[in-house]
Amino acid sequence: EDKVVQSPLSLVVHEGDTVTLNCSYEVTNFRSLLWYKQEKKAPTFLFMLTSSGIEKKSGRLSSILDKKELFSILNITATQTGDSAVYLCAVGGGATNKLIFGTGTLLAVQP
Amino acid sequence: NAGVTQTPKFQVLKTGQSMTLQCAQDMNHEYMSWYRQDPGMGLRLIHYSVGAGITDQGEVPNGYNVSRSTTEDFPLRLLSAAPSQTSVYFCASSYGGGGLGYEQYFGPGTRLTVT
Repeated sequence: EDKVVQSPLSLVVHEGDTVTLNCSYEVTNFRSLLWYKQEKKAPTFLFMLTSSGIEKKSGRLSSILDKKELFSILNITATQTGDSAVYLCAVGGGATNKLIFGTGTLLAVQP
Repeated sequence: NAGVTQTPKFQVLKTGQSMTLQCAQDMNHEYMSWYRQDPGMGLRLIHYSVGAGITDQGEVPNGYNVSRSTTEDFPLRLLSAAPSQTSVYFCASSYGGGGLGYEQYFGPGTRLTVT
């Protein structure tokens, strides 16, 4: 059965800390891995990764994929209270080429 | 562009009632999908459509119907609401299938409570 597992489930840090969020997957016919940020409303897109070892960056956020070990990490440096959200990992593929979501990591950044 | 819109934002139903959640997009996306989000369960795919007139089931389709008569609209119908359908529902659209790596654009969600 295809699955996506995120860790930790939740995390509390202080402003200025650096955090690493993990996403591991077991998905047949892997196509892509996507990261989304969800505040109180709809998920918003962060990154899409398809190739191993190529880092994607956007400001203080960065992500990398390891297709051999079947995982991805999302790094956030110099965290701010506005980074508080649920971070969702989704993998495209499987027998029917759908997006399979993990349960998310809840990040709380305290002032 | 309005992006993906959903109505209503909130809804309370009694067990056995039926209703339709509306979803529309103005980005000319072929692929549209409906997800439900429950605590600890992540987003789960209910139904999806690869174009007007074509729909298929996702992971949790029971109790829901969809149709796609136009590219823009993709309504989700609850036939006979049950408390287990209490959830937050998101509609999403993309140029291509989410599983193929296309970014999905999500609507703001509908919070549904079934009593």
